[in-house]
Amino acid sequence: SQQGEEDPQALSIQEGENATMNCSYKTSINNLQWYRQNSGRGLVHLILIRSNEREKHSGRLRVTLDTSKKSSSLLITASRAADTASYFCATDHTGTASKLTFGTGTRLQVTL
Amino acid sequence: GAGVSQTPSNKVTEKGKYVELRCDPISGHTALYWYRQSLGQGPEFLIYFQGTGAADDSGLPNDRFFAVRPEGSVSTLKIQRTERGDSAVYLCASRLAGGTGELFFGEGSRLTVL
Repeated sequence: SQQGEEDPQALSIQEGENATMNCSYKTSINNLQWYRQNSGRGLVHLILIRSNEREKHSGRLRVTLDTSKKSSSLLITASRAADTASYFCATDHTGTASKLTFGTGTRLQVTL
Repeated sequence: GAGVSQTPSNKVTEKGKYVELRCDPISGHTALYWYRQSLGQGPEFLIYFQGTGAADDSGLPNDRFFAVRPEGSVSTLKIQRTERGDSAVYLCASRLAGGTGELFFGEGSRLTVL
């Protein structure tokens, strides 16, 4: 079963614009991670945010976490065509990373 | 190795046949995961190994699916009596024990059951 749901399912923007995708989950977490997947490839880890953190930055990425609403958002600033990919949130409910539960993903298309 | 290696990258088989998919994790990574991903969906957890033992196999859909990791490194996912519904990309990931929780994924094995 997939714990997280991502919104929107698909997003199309122009290069230079910001992209925001959201993830909601159902039960309490230890941490939440975001991954990127290029078409036909494996997943690549982007960023991890712990349950006691509210915001985290990495380069052009900004992640927020609201545990009271059981939701997270990923913001990609100044998007580039190379950011075109699917983005997934993954939740760790165990604290041991013994099972990450992935969401359904947001397909981002960045056009020139 | 430099990354997680999965073989074969593509496998086409007939309904009812037996299939083995191999995963070679990053050297030194004691945790290993198998996930299954259908088209347009997120990865679905199958099984997690810590060392040689399966610490959590709650995601295996039925007893046709089995995975081993006899020496705590390479793992093999075995599917018996394949069905068309088994068609998917099977992803393997590994993680360093005590690490940040980040999983390193292979490129996947695409299984097509005709």
